[in-house]
Amino acid sequence: GAGVSQSPSNKVTEKGKDVELRCDPISGHTALYWYRQSLGQGLEFLIYFQGNSAPDKSGLPSDRFSAERTGGSVSTLTIQRTQQEDSAVYLCASSFGSMETQYFGPGTRLLVL
Amino acid sequence: QKEVEQNSGPLSVPEGAIASLNCTYSDRGSQSFFWYRQYSGKSPELIMFIYSNGDKEDGRFTAQLNKASQYVSLLIRDSQPSDSATYLCAVNVGSARQLTFGSGTQLTVLP
Repeated sequence: GAGVSQSPSNKVTEKGKDVELRCDPISGHTALYWYRQSLGQGLEFLIYFQGNSAPDKSGLPSDRFSAERTGGSVSTLTIQRTQQEDSAVYLCASSFGSMETQYFGPGTRLLVL
Repeated sequence: QKEVEQNSGPLSVPEGAIASLNCTYSDRGSQSFFWYRQYSGKSPELIMFIYSNGDKEDGRFTAQLNKASQYVSLLIRDSQPSDSATYLCAVNVGSARQLTFGSGTQLTVLP
Protein backbone atom coordinates (compact mmCIF):
# COMPACT_ATOMS: atom_id res chain seq x y z
CA GLY A 1 0.00 0.00 0.00
CA ALA A 2 0.94 3.64 -0.19
CA GLY A 3 3.31 4.97 2.39
CA VAL A 4 3.38 8.29 4.16
CA SER A 5 3.46 11.17 1.71
CA GLN A 6 4.58 14.74 2.32
CA SER A 7 4.41 17.89 0.28
CA PRO A 8 6.12 19.90 -0.89
CA SER A 9 9.34 17.91 -1.10
CA ASN A 10 11.35 21.14 -1.10
CA LYS A 11 10.44 24.65 -0.03
CA VAL A 12 12.53 27.78 -0.26
CA THR A 13 11.12 30.85 1.45
CA GLU A 14 12.20 34.24 2.62
CA LYS A 15 12.66 35.11 6.25
CA GLY A 16 9.42 36.36 7.75
CA LYS A 17 7.10 34.47 5.41
CA ASP A 18 4.66 31.78 6.55
CA VAL A 19 4.91 28.20 5.26
CA GLU A 20 2.59 25.21 5.36
CA LEU A 21 3.84 21.64 5.21
CA ARG A 22 1.48 18.76 4.52
CA CYS A 23 1.51 15.14 5.62
CA ASP A 24 -0.73 12.35 4.38
CA PRO A 25 -0.36 9.31 6.65
CA ILE A 26 -0.74 5.65 5.80
CA SER A 27 -4.41 4.80 5.48
CA GLY A 28 -5.83 3.54 8.76
CA HIS A 29 -3.02 4.91 10.90
CA THR A 30 -4.50 6.81 13.82
CA ALA A 31 -1.29 8.28 15.22
CA LEU A 32 0.73 10.94 13.41
CA TYR A 33 3.98 12.56 14.43
CA TRP A 34 6.06 15.51 13.23
CA TYR A 35 9.83 15.56 13.70
CA ARG A 36 12.55 17.93 12.56
CA GLN A 37 16.09 17.10 11.49
CA SER A 38 18.52 19.96 11.19
CA LEU A 39 21.87 19.68 9.41
CA GLY A 40 24.18 17.71 11.65
CA GLN A 41 21.50 17.34 14.29
CA GLY A 42 19.48 14.40 15.40
CA LEU A 43 15.78 13.89 14.93
CA GLU A 44 13.81 16.24 17.17
CA PHE A 45 10.17 15.58 18.13
CA LEU A 46 7.70 18.38 17.45
CA ILE A 47 4.11 17.21 17.96
CA TYR A 48 1.99 14.07 18.14
CA PHE A 49 -1.62 13.52 17.07
CA GLN A 50 -3.94 10.73 18.11
CA GLY A 51 -6.89 11.07 15.78
CA ASN A 52 -7.50 14.81 15.45
CA SER A 53 -6.27 15.60 18.96
CA ALA A 54 -2.75 16.66 19.85
CA PRO A 55 -2.07 15.28 23.35
CA ASP A 56 1.58 16.24 23.17
CA LYS A 57 2.76 19.55 21.72
CA SER A 58 5.80 19.69 23.95
CA GLY A 59 8.31 19.66 21.13
CA LEU A 60 7.09 22.74 19.27
CA PRO A 61 10.04 25.15 19.55
CA SER A 62 8.03 28.38 19.66
CA ASP A 63 4.53 29.77 19.27
CA ARG A 64 5.34 30.39 15.59
CA PHE A 65 4.82 26.67 15.07
CA SER A 66 1.37 25.13 14.97
CA ALA A 67 -0.19 22.01 13.53
CA GLU A 68 -3.60 20.58 12.91
CA ARG A 69 -5.06 17.34 11.72
CA THR A 70 -8.46 16.95 10.13
CA GLY A 71 -10.62 13.92 9.51
CA GLY A 72 -8.12 11.77 11.35
CA SER A 73 -5.98 11.87 8.27
CA VAL A 74 -4.06 14.75 6.68
CA SER A 75 -2.01 17.01 8.91
CA THR A 76 -0.60 20.46 8.24
CA LEU A 77 2.36 21.96 10.06
CA THR A 78 2.43 25.75 9.84
CA ILE A 79 5.45 27.92 10.59
CA GLN A 80 4.69 31.63 10.85
CA ARG A 81 7.25 34.37 10.35
CA THR A 82 9.96 31.91 9.39
CA GLN A 83 13.49 32.39 10.66
CA GLN A 84 16.74 31.06 9.22
CA GLU A 85 17.07 28.65 12.13
CA ASP A 86 13.85 26.98 10.96
CA SER A 87 15.77 25.57 7.98
CA ALA A 88 15.66 21.80 8.35
CA VAL A 89 14.06 18.64 7.03
CA TYR A 90 10.59 18.23 8.47
CA LEU A 91 9.60 14.59 8.75
CA CYS A 92 6.18 13.14 9.30
CA ALA A 93 5.58 9.63 10.60
CA SER A 94 2.46 7.61 11.24
CA SER A 95 1.62 4.47 13.17
CA PHE A 96 -1.39 2.20 13.52
CA GLY A 97 -1.72 3.17 17.15
CA SER A 98 0.33 5.02 19.70
CA MET A 99 3.44 3.15 20.82
CA GLU A 100 3.35 1.16 17.57
CA THR A 101 6.03 1.18 14.91
CA GLN A 102 6.33 4.54 13.17
CA TYR A 103 6.81 4.81 9.42
CA PHE A 104 8.35 7.94 8.00
CA GLY A 105 7.51 9.98 4.96
CA PRO A 106 10.17 11.36 2.59
CA GLY A 107 10.30 14.71 4.37
CA THR A 108 10.05 18.34 3.34
CA ARG A 109 13.33 20.21 3.00
CA LEU A 110 12.77 23.78 4.13
CA LEU A 111 15.30 26.49 3.41
CA VAL A 112 14.72 29.95 4.85
CA LEU A 113 16.80 32.63 3.14
CA GLN B 1 23.07 12.54 30.28
CA LYS B 2 21.22 12.19 27.01
CA GLU B 3 18.13 10.00 27.05
CA VAL B 4 19.38 7.89 24.13
CA GLU B 5 23.07 7.65 23.34
CA GLN B 6 24.94 6.11 20.46
CA ASN B 7 28.57 6.13 19.38
CA SER B 8 28.61 8.57 16.49
CA GLY B 9 31.35 6.68 14.68
CA PRO B 10 32.21 6.60 11.94
CA LEU B 11 32.40 2.83 12.02
CA SER B 12 34.11 1.08 9.14
CA VAL B 13 34.01 -2.67 8.54
CA PRO B 14 35.15 -4.77 5.58
CA GLU B 15 32.59 -6.41 3.35
CA GLY B 16 31.42 -9.71 4.81
CA ALA B 17 32.27 -8.79 8.40
CA ILE B 18 29.88 -8.31 11.32
CA ALA B 19 28.99 -4.71 12.16
CA SER B 20 28.01 -4.06 15.77
CA LEU B 21 26.06 -0.93 16.67
CA ASN B 22 25.28 0.00 20.25
CA CYS B 23 22.79 2.22 22.02
CA THR B 24 22.12 3.01 25.67
CA TYR B 25 19.07 4.67 27.20
CA SER B 26 18.48 6.37 30.51
CA ASP B 27 14.83 5.66 31.43
CA ARG B 28 14.31 2.21 32.92
CA GLY B 29 10.60 2.44 32.13
CA SER B 30 11.23 2.43 28.39
CA GLN B 31 9.52 -0.46 26.65
CA SER B 32 9.84 -0.14 22.88
CA PHE B 33 13.08 0.03 20.94
CA PHE B 34 13.66 0.55 17.25
CA TRP B 35 16.50 0.61 14.78
CA TYR B 36 16.18 2.79 11.70
CA ARG B 37 18.54 3.11 8.76
CA GLN B 38 18.97 6.47 7.06
CA TYR B 39 20.77 6.88 3.77
CA SER B 40 22.20 10.31 3.02
CA GLY B 41 19.44 12.65 1.91
CA LYS B 42 16.69 10.13 2.65
CA SER B 43 14.24 9.62 5.48
CA PRO B 44 14.62 6.96 8.19
CA GLU B 45 13.65 3.43 7.21
CA LEU B 46 12.66 0.88 9.85
CA ILE B 47 15.06 -2.04 10.20
CA MET B 48 13.84 -3.77 13.35
CA PHE B 49 11.93 -3.31 16.57
CA ILE B 50 12.33 -5.18 19.83
CA TYR B 51 10.27 -5.14 23.01
CA SER B 52 11.54 -8.10 25.05
CA ASN B 53 14.89 -8.94 26.56
CA GLY B 54 17.06 -11.16 24.42
CA ASP B 55 17.78 -11.46 20.73
CA LYS B 56 15.53 -10.96 17.74
CA GLU B 57 16.75 -12.04 14.31
CA ASP B 58 15.56 -10.95 10.88
CA GLY B 59 17.73 -12.10 8.00
CA ARG B 60 21.20 -10.61 8.39
CA PHE B 61 20.06 -8.36 11.24
CA THR B 62 19.91 -9.22 14.94
CA ALA B 63 18.65 -6.84 17.60
CA GLN B 64 19.64 -7.46 21.19
CA LEU B 65 17.96 -5.91 24.22
CA ASN B 66 19.19 -5.94 27.80
CA LYS B 67 16.81 -3.95 29.99
CA ALA B 68 18.83 -4.54 33.17
CA SER B 69 21.85 -2.88 31.59
CA GLN B 70 19.72 -0.44 29.57
CA TYR B 71 21.26 -1.12 26.23
CA VAL B 72 20.11 -2.23 22.84
CA SER B 73 22.34 -3.29 19.99
CA LEU B 74 22.11 -4.14 16.31
CA LEU B 75 24.33 -6.72 14.64
CA ILE B 76 24.62 -6.83 10.88
CA ARG B 77 26.09 -10.08 9.59
CA ASP B 78 27.78 -10.45 6.22
CA SER B 79 27.90 -6.66 5.85
CA GLN B 80 27.47 -5.33 2.33
CA PRO B 81 28.49 -1.97 0.84
CA SER B 82 24.75 -1.24 0.49
CA ASP B 83 24.52 -1.33 4.30
CA SER B 84 26.60 1.87 4.42
CA ALA B 85 24.29 4.40 6.07
CA THR B 86 23.56 6.08 9.38
CA TYR B 87 21.83 3.81 11.88
CA LEU B 88 19.48 5.46 14.33
CA CYS B 89 18.45 3.97 17.65
CA ALA B 90 15.00 5.14 18.74
CA VAL B 91 13.19 4.60 22.04
CA ASN B 92 9.75 5.28 23.41
CA VAL B 93 11.26 6.80 26.57
CA GLY B 94 9.13 5.90 29.56
CA SER B 95 5.49 6.09 28.51
CA ALA B 96 6.04 8.72 25.84
CA ARG B 97 4.29 8.11 22.53
CA GLN B 98 6.93 9.89 20.48
CA LEU B 99 10.32 8.41 19.70
CA THR B 100 13.52 9.80 21.15
CA PHE B 101 16.39 9.25 18.77
CA GLY B 102 20.08 8.83 19.35
CA SER B 103 22.43 10.90 17.26
CA GLY B 104 23.09 7.95 14.94
CA THR B 105 26.12 5.86 14.05
CA GLN B 106 27.56 6.28 10.57
CA LEU B 107 28.53 2.88 9.14
CA THR B 108 30.75 2.38 6.12
CA VAL B 109 31.19 -1.09 4.66
CA LEU B 110 34.36 -1.23 2.59
CA PRO B 111 34.35 -3.41 -0.55
